Amino acid sequence: AQRVTQPEKLLSVFKGAPVELKCNYSYSGSPELFWYVQYSRQRLQLLLRHISRESIKGFTADLNKGETSFHLKKPFAQEEDSAMYYCALPNNNAGNMLTFGGGTRLMVKP
Amino acid sequence: GAGVSQSPRYKVAKRGQDVALRCDPISGHVSLFWYQQALGQGPEFLTYFQNEAQLDKSGLPSDRFFAERPEGSVSTLKIQRTQQEDSAVYLCASSLGTGGRTDTQYFGPGTRLTVL
Repeated sequence: AQRVTQPEKLLSVFKGAPVELKCNYSYSGSPELFWYVQYSRQRLQLLLRHISRESIKGFTADLNKGETSFHLKKPFAQEEDSAMYYCALPNNNAGNMLTFGGGTRLMVKP
Repeated sequence: GAGVSQSPRYKVAKRGQDVALRCDPISGHVSLFWYQQALGQGPEFLTYFQNEAQLDKSGLPSDRFFAERPEGSVSTLKIQRTQQEDSAVYLCASSLGTGGRTDTQYFGPGTRLTVL
């Protein structure tokens, strides 16, 4: 069974500090992974996906198949990055329904 | 354009009552998903529709949960004889295609259900 683990419930950093939100997965096959973000009082939205290899709002994530990880990184955190972050893995069945990790709350202090 | 909408946004029910939660997906979106998010946890899959066909309901926690999408657009999640453990945020998401790996799921704001 596929699983996504986010070991940190809360990550608190100061503005300008580097950020790394951890995500580990278990999946048999070639995974496709996403990071979703939920800002305060807003709906869950896609931040970035592995396949696009893009940088969104300064965030990047690299898939490491050896370590089964997909950590989200940003070199210099901003206060507006404060939010809940969820790592997610689509299932090849069920229309690619998503298996989510438990989420990490990022707090960026001034 | 309009995103996914859900109603009601908040619902308080007494234990044993039946509730119905509505989801209006983005127009033209083929796929529709329901997720349940308990407090402090990530969303968990409940069920999936492709147009009007319910192709997967493996995540529904009990036979008290029932979902439909009769005309392939609006969907309703019904919970019968609600229990306290049903208290959660119920999220609806839709995507344009039939679940390809590049499909993006767009989420609604959720319905927060509290069972007293």
